Amino acid sequence: KAGVTQTPRYLIKTRGQQVTLSCSPISGHRSVSWYQQTPGQGLQFLFEYFSETQRNKGNFPGRFSGRQFSNSRSEMNVSTLELGDSALYLCASSFFGTQETQYFGPGTRLLVL
Amino acid sequence: GESVGLHLPTLSVQEGDNSIINCAYSNSASDYFIWYKQESGKGPQFIIDIRSNMDKRQGQRVTVLLNKTVKHLSLQIAATQPGDSAVYFCAENIVGIQGAQKLVFGQGTRLTINP
Repeated sequence: KAGVTQTPRYLIKTRGQQVTLSCSPISGHRSVSWYQQTPGQGLQFLFEYFSETQRNKGNFPGRFSGRQFSNSRSEMNVSTLELGDSALYLCASSFFGTQETQYFGPGTRLLVL
Repeated sequence: GESVGLHLPTLSVQEGDNSIINCAYSNSASDYFIWYKQESGKGPQFIIDIRSNMDKRQGQRVTVLLNKTVKHLSLQIAATQPGDSAVYFCAENIVGIQGAQKLVFGQGTRLTINP
């Protein structure tokens, strides 16, 4: 069974631009979560989607948004990029998103210049 | 508040030795904990998990211990190999109002295996 896939793997953007990252969960998984990983803050939860609905959101500004499609694929968007948004963005999936193992993709490395 | 912390940021052991990575958590209501391994350039990889109705769980060369009294987790890796070199994260699974989970991660411990 294929794992979680994320595209693109690497991105370079400039301040003020926006970016869209994509995540395809493991087949059969309907919950998708997003995390941001930085050297300073570590791994932090962004949001979680299940059946196209956002059920949980972390403490990030409104510039960070996401959505989920009927096939469980998810995208996250960051608008008006700031230097501090440079990070590894990780997507994780699970069947139902509650009290079960989340499996991570390889991440998208975003560099904001 | 929500926090999961690690006692040691780095750990260096000789190949073949056993290693122990520790983790403290703060939410006494949490009942599911996971250890992940992250190698350079990769996403976190599931190693082992434990639920609060257990004190110990064993996998292949790995054992997780849970002490709910002091809110402490540990990961033991037996007979370490060069491939065990990575950053190890403990994570606390927190369930929100709508039943959705989120992981709260510790800062990570970098494990280095010396030949």
